[in-house]
Amino acid sequence: NAGVTQTPKFRVLKTGQSMTLLCAQDMNHEYMYWYRQDPGMGLRLIHYSVGEGTTAKGEVPDGYNVSRLKKQNFLLGLESAAPSQTSVYFCASSYSHSSGSRNEQFFGPGTRLTVL
Amino acid sequence: GENVEQHPSTLSVQEGDSAVIKCTYSDSASNYFPWYKQELGKRPQLIIDIRSNVGEKKDQRIAVTLNKTAKHFSLHITETQPEDSAVYFCAATNQAGTALIFGKGTTLSVSS
Repeated sequence: NAGVTQTPKFRVLKTGQSMTLLCAQDMNHEYMYWYRQDPGMGLRLIHYSVGEGTTAKGEVPDGYNVSRLKKQNFLLGLESAAPSQTSVYFCASSYSHSSGSRNEQFFGPGTRLTVL
Repeated sequence: GENVEQHPSTLSVQEGDSAVIKCTYSDSASNYFPWYKQELGKRPQLIIDIRSNVGEKKDQRIAVTLNKTAKHFSLHITETQPEDSAVYFCAATNQAGTALIFGKGTTLSVSS
């Protein structure tokens, strides 16, 4: 099992460019999440998905879009990158919802994004 | 809105001492409270969790306590070791129970 993987590991963008971050999990988890981590700000939820074909907004969704076309993949898109989106992005997945019995979130290794 | 506050933001202890990190949450509907540890350059990993129907849970040197009335929960690490040095995050479920809201983290440094 690879667990949760993220592509790419590092990326540098110019303001206004677009990109897609890919998260993949091979644990047959229903729930997937995208977080951003900034110094002193903890982990902030961007968007999440409770199953294939569904998405929901988290705490800081503006400037991001997501898609969950396949159960094992969760894509995070930046349509027009801004310097404020410079951050480390973590994907996570869990078997059940956060209040459920198998709800441990497993995190990917992170993607470090810099927007110039 | 839903909020989780975590204190202190940094904590320095001597090896062998105890460390306590405290969190408060805003939504009385929250019913699950995990703690994650993140070592430098690594991904967060679950170390212990507690549900709202339990007041305390222990796992070797770590324990978590929950006071639902006061809406706060704490992480206790006893006999700290240098390898306990990391950033610790508390979290609580959102109102819908579908996601976690994380605190801002506590950087724990254990010196030998």
